[in-house]
Amino acid sequence: SAVISQKPSRDICQRGTSLTIQCQVDSQVTMMFWYRQQPGQSLTLIATANQGSEATYESGFVIDKFPISRPNLTFSTLTVSNMSPEDSSIYLCSVGGLATQGWNEQFFGPGTRLTVL
Amino acid sequence: DQQVKQNSPSLSVQEGRISILNCDYTNSMFDYFLWYKKYPAEGPTFLISISSIKDKNEDGRFTVFLNKSAKHLSLHIVPSQPGDSAVYFCAASSDNYGQNFVFGPGTRLSVLP
Repeated sequence: SAVISQKPSRDICQRGTSLTIQCQVDSQVTMMFWYRQQPGQSLTLIATANQGSEATYESGFVIDKFPISRPNLTFSTLTVSNMSPEDSSIYLCSVGGLATQGWNEQFFGPGTRLTVL
Repeated sequence: DQQVKQNSPSLSVQEGRISILNCDYTNSMFDYFLWYKKYPAEGPTFLISISSIKDKNEDGRFTVFLNKSAKHLSLHIVPSQPGDSAVYFCAASSDNYGQNFVFGPGTRLSVLP
């Protein structure tokens, strides 16, 4: 499996500000995804980060609130914009479609714990 | 409307015994299922998967059973070890390319020494 790192690992932010989370993979991957895990809840897919084109967002998530970049096959960023306390969550990057793995498994980064005051 | 359900939020098992974690789904289009384990402050770790053409998949101490007619799958851990204490997520997909997984709410397993 790939080694996936995320920065920052955690942050405490003020309402109305924005935070950009970085995801770095140690090998080229076709598929990169961003998930959110709100307190006491399961993982919810925010969007698929597409290399060279706009991200594909799931229902309930929009680009203005969660802009995503994917400049190459090993790196992606997720920005949480104009934050409110409801955005307090763990944000997780995941990858799939690794050359040595089946298409169907996804592997997760360690997550970024965000608290919005 | 939850498409993937894990009705037991928590489970406690004695070390050495069997742990059985259950998962139910409602979407009959799901044909690929995964189990993930998550420790606090870490990302989920892939554990085992099963496709709808099988009814059982085994990997060491971990076995996943799938009952398509009942839309039910279960993860068996035998024997359970204290290091297995974690939150276990069931995930389902109808997508062959590893996208659009729907996750259950998780079950917190505690293995008591």
